[in-house]
Amino acid sequence: AQSVTQLDSQVPVFEEAPVELRCNYSSSVSVYLFWYVQYPNQGLQLLLKYLSGSTLVKGINGFEAEFNKSQTSFHLRKPSVHISDTAEYFCAVSGLAAGNKLTFGGGTRVLVKP
Amino acid sequence: DTGVSQDPRHKITKRGQNVTFRCDPISEHNRLYWYRQTLGQGPEFLTYFQNEAQLEKSRLLSDRFSAERPKGSFSTLEIQRTEQGDSAMYLCASSSSYGRTLTGELFFGEGSRLTVL
Repeated sequence: AQSVTQLDSQVPVFEEAPVELRCNYSSSVSVYLFWYVQYPNQGLQLLLKYLSGSTLVKGINGFEAEFNKSQTSFHLRKPSVHISDTAEYFCAVSGLAAGNKLTFGGGTRVLVKP
Repeated sequence: DTGVSQDPRHKITKRGQNVTFRCDPISEHNRLYWYRQTLGQGPEFLTYFQNEAQLEKSRLLSDRFSAERPKGSFSTLEIQRTEQGDSAMYLCASSSSYGRTLTGELFFGEGSRLTVL
């Protein structure tokens, strides 16, 4: 079984400042890792994913994340945020043989202030 | 590709009534998932299908909940004798387990929000 911990429930940040959202996971097997974004009253949209290969993954809207196997982390970063980045962000993990089922963290709400 | 669609988007019902949600996955996807999301929480897995077979059910899926995917295409999630604790967003997602681009990604619909009064 897998579990995901998102260490910050809410992150306020000023426009054009950098942001980092922390994610740690627990699993007894190899995993795929994902970050999804959810805008109000909408479904989840994939930002980026790590399946294998380079540990630095680039996604949409200028986001990137780094997989650290020794620390079981997959932190999300953006060097300069926009007002439109205000949303909830979810880290998720799936086991390689788990039917693609995703286990999500509790989410981090990002509030970008002007 | 029209994406994953869910119907209805919003449902308000009285406690004790039955409700049914429908999900139409991306047409070439053989896997379909249901999740529940309560306010301020991450989505929680309920169940998933591969084609028409229901392969896994979470213990969150009580006896009042039933999901079907009779022809391996659309799916329905029925909640009988609704309770106020059933109020949540019900998310459907689909994916493919074959093909050259097996990515592990789930594609989500916009959800069906249930309010039980």
